[in-house]
Amino acid sequence: GAVVSQHPSRVICKSGTSVKIECRSLDFQATTMFWYRQFPKQSLMLMATSNEGSKATYEQGVEKDKFLINHASLTLSTLTVTSAHPEDSSFYICSARYPVAENTEAFFGQGTRLTVV
Amino acid sequence: ILNVEQSPQSLHVQEGDSTNFTCSFPSSNFYALHWYRWETAKSPEALFVMTLNGDEKKKGRISATLNTKEGYSYLYIKGSQPEDSATYLCASGGNLIFGKGTKLSVKP
Repeated sequence: GAVVSQHPSRVICKSGTSVKIECRSLDFQATTMFWYRQFPKQSLMLMATSNEGSKATYEQGVEKDKFLINHASLTLSTLTVTSAHPEDSSFYICSARYPVAENTEAFFGQGTRLTVV
Repeated sequence: ILNVEQSPQSLHVQEGDSTNFTCSFPSSNFYALHWYRWETAKSPEALFVMTLNGDEKKKGRISATLNTKEGYSYLYIKGSQPEDSATYLCASGGNLIFGKGTKLSVKP
């Protein structure tokens, strides 16, 4: 199957700083990637759809200025949590569909555990 | 907003038991139903992607059925093994809206 790599797996940052999370497709080109967030005992909640070469599409209630998404190449999407606060502490995970189509399976990164202190 | 529900939330079985769990989803504007297996400290891995009403898929001891008219899917595990312990997620919709998952623990 296709491989998606996410980095870092864990990060602790101070309140007010920004954190960048990278999501790479290693053996395929991903024109679209998906970013999810998971609170304890909750579902994976779709935050945004990242589109290569264009603006991300954010889900309702997700602040686009808070969660900056850049998909500058066919193999890399980044999520930057700007001016992080303790309430941003969560588990963030990316995925990409391969082959690129609506009814194909998603391949996930390993996830990033963000702790804001 | 698409709402995907899974039950039970958690399940504890003995090795060798067969088990099943449920995923319910809105039946209107159906795209596909996905099942994923998520082991601790690993990435979720796809088990099945199902699109047709009445679909049944099987992978080893794991199988799934789909009813798009009434909006539910069942996942079955026959003869559970400790290595089946994981959280099983289902997702529906074009952009994959996930349920909360069923956490399965299989005791040896």
